[in-house]
Amino acid sequence: DVKVTQSSRYLVKRTGEKVFLECVQDMDHENMFWYRQDPGLGLRLIYFSYDVKMKEKGDIPEGYSVSREKKERFSLILESASTNQTSMYLCASTSDSPLHFGNGTRLTVT
Amino acid sequence: GENVEQHPSTLSVQEGDSAVIKCTYSDSASNYFPWYKQELGKGPQLIIDIRSNVGEKKDQRIAVTLNKTAKHFSLHITETQPEDSAVYFCAASKAGGYQKVTFGIGTKLQVIP
Repeated sequence: DVKVTQSSRYLVKRTGEKVFLECVQDMDHENMFWYRQDPGLGLRLIYFSYDVKMKEKGDIPEGYSVSREKKERFSLILESASTNQTSMYLCASTSDSPLHFGNGTRLTVT
Repeated sequence: GENVEQHPSTLSVQEGDSAVIKCTYSDSASNYFPWYKQELGKGPQLIIDIRSNVGEKKDQRIAVTLNKTAKHFSLHITETQPEDSAVYFCAASKAGGYQKVTFGIGTKLQVIP
């Protein structure tokens, strides 16, 4: 079975902090994704990557950046965390279809 | 870009009854339509998917139908059980792992014993 592991289950950060969310997959998938999940808004794509060192903006990239230095690892970076970035963050990977998700990181920015 | 609308946002059914969730999409180029189930504290997991060359697909108590002309697709769960209680998401994309997947807002299904 594909395993997508997100390093933190819960995170609490202060406004203005730089925040790193880490995601690792064990199935040699080329494609990795970061979504945020908010009530009433579903899952919205932040960034995705189809290869090492490659990245593409999703629908809501503002305030975020990503890093993919190794095929198995995809990091989401909040350069200066703000309260409106309080959310559930979901990482996913795939080689074709469908997406395989991690269990999420619930980030609270105070 | 693609836009996926999903309804209802909440659904309560008695155990043993059927549940239906409906979605519409906007981009006629979309040809892959997965459904995900998200249980409390977990990430979404695929439960069934359908491609645009098929009108209906069934897997035990779960079925999905697709109407390409009308751009809508539906999830049908028969003989619901308490363990079916979860949030269900529909999604649409072009086939291929590097494609953007657009999700609906989700439906919270409650099955009442």
